[in-house]
Amino acid sequence: GIQVEQSPPDLILQEGANSTLRCNFSDSVNNLQWFHQNPWGQLINLFYIPSGTKQNGRLSATTVATERYSLLYISSSQTTDSGVYFCAVEGDYKLSFGAGTTVTVRA
Amino acid sequence: SQTIHQWPATLVQPVGSPLSLECTVEGTSNPNLYWYRQAAGRGLQLLFYSVGIGQISSEVPQNLSASRPQDRQFILSSKKLLLSDSGFYLCAWSQGGYTQYFGPGTRLTVL
Repeated sequence: GIQVEQSPPDLILQEGANSTLRCNFSDSVNNLQWFHQNPWGQLINLFYIPSGTKQNGRLSATTVATERYSLLYISSSQTTDSGVYFCAVEGDYKLSFGAGTTVTVRA
Repeated sequence: SQTIHQWPATLVQPVGSPLSLECTVEGTSNPNLYWYRQAAGRGLQLLFYSVGIGQISSEVPQNLSASRPQDRQFILSSKKLLLSDSGFYLCAWSQGGYTQYFGPGTRLTVL
């Protein structure tokens, strides 16, 4: 199956800081999604981004499919951004998840 | 709009007992349905997926099974739970190969 690697595994930020999360994948994919898992376990869709760049408020994402990576940018981080961020790639209707990046934003 | 429900929210079961977790989707028809498990502090592992009523694909050999008795209902079952079955179980749906949307999850503790 497709291998998905996320980095860094852990990230501690001061409120207001910017950060970049990376997702590398081992093969061509039909779909790539970024999720945020909140402290209660709910997985929230952030982006559906098989290629190109998208922005949603303080978050943006870029996927370079030809080079098999995606980046998630968090700007002006807030404590509510804390949680685990997952990248997932899809082949044959199935999502393969990375291990996640745990983000802690300190006030 | 579409919504996805899972119950129960939490469950504590003894080893060897049976299991039934239910997932239902509202506001869409013929969705693809998925069961994932997340062990503590780890990523998600796909267990089963279904592209139609009565059709189930298994990704990981284990003592769990899944069924889809109705178009928008997906059930995860076990005849005898193991300690290793503890975890956070998430159901998801999608239309075709597009965005997957996740339910609130069930936290299962097997003692």
